[in-house]
Amino acid sequence: KAGVTQTPRYLIKTRGQQVTLSCSPISGHRSVSWYQQTPGQGLQFLFEYFSETQRNKGNFPGRFSGRQFSNSRSEMNVSTLELGDSALYLCASRQTGTSDEQYFGPGTRLTVT
Amino acid sequence: GQNIDQPTEMTATEGAIVQINCTYQTSGFNGLFWYQQHAGEAPTFLSYNVLDGLEEKGRFSSFLSRSKGYSYLLLKELQMKDSASYLCAVRDPFPYGQGGKLIFGQGTELSVKP
Repeated sequence: KAGVTQTPRYLIKTRGQQVTLSCSPISGHRSVSWYQQTPGQGLQFLFEYFSETQRNKGNFPGRFSGRQFSNSRSEMNVSTLELGDSALYLCASRQTGTSDEQYFGPGTRLTVT
Repeated sequence: GQNIDQPTEMTATEGAIVQINCTYQTSGFNGLFWYQQHAGEAPTFLSYNVLDGLEEKGRFSSFLSRSKGYSYLLLKELQMKDSASYLCAVRDPFPYGQGGKLIFGQGTELSVKP
């Protein structure tokens, strides 16, 4: 079974631009969560999607948004990029109802200049 | 508030045993996870505790005391490849009991020396 995949793996953007990151969960997993990882703040929860609905959201500004498609693939979007948005963005998928384990993808390394 | 504390760094010798502690104060609790993360890689699942007691899985064991807000990860027969960051995370039960939101500690950087 293929693991969680994320594209792109690396991205360099300029302040003020916007970016879209993509996550494909493990087949059969319906829950996708997004996390931001930085050296200073560690891993922080952004949001979780289940059956195309956002079921929980972390303490991030409205510039961070996401969505989930009917095939459980998810995207997150960051608008009006700031230097502080430079981070590793990780998504994790979970097979709700049978397992509590979250499987993480390799992440997208975003650098904002 | 949500607060999860772990030591920042630990050093141990190959073949030895090391215990990484984690204390938490969260507004809710629905399980505690341990993840391993090698530099530049994604976190990988190690263990999950929701009830008090010890869970053993090969060279790794994890303990939970909910009344004390305390957990530890025990690594036996340390190997060089165990050098990594170890992340403690509490699952937030709100707003749905089975939600996937994890609150992470800052991680413990373990260095295993020959």
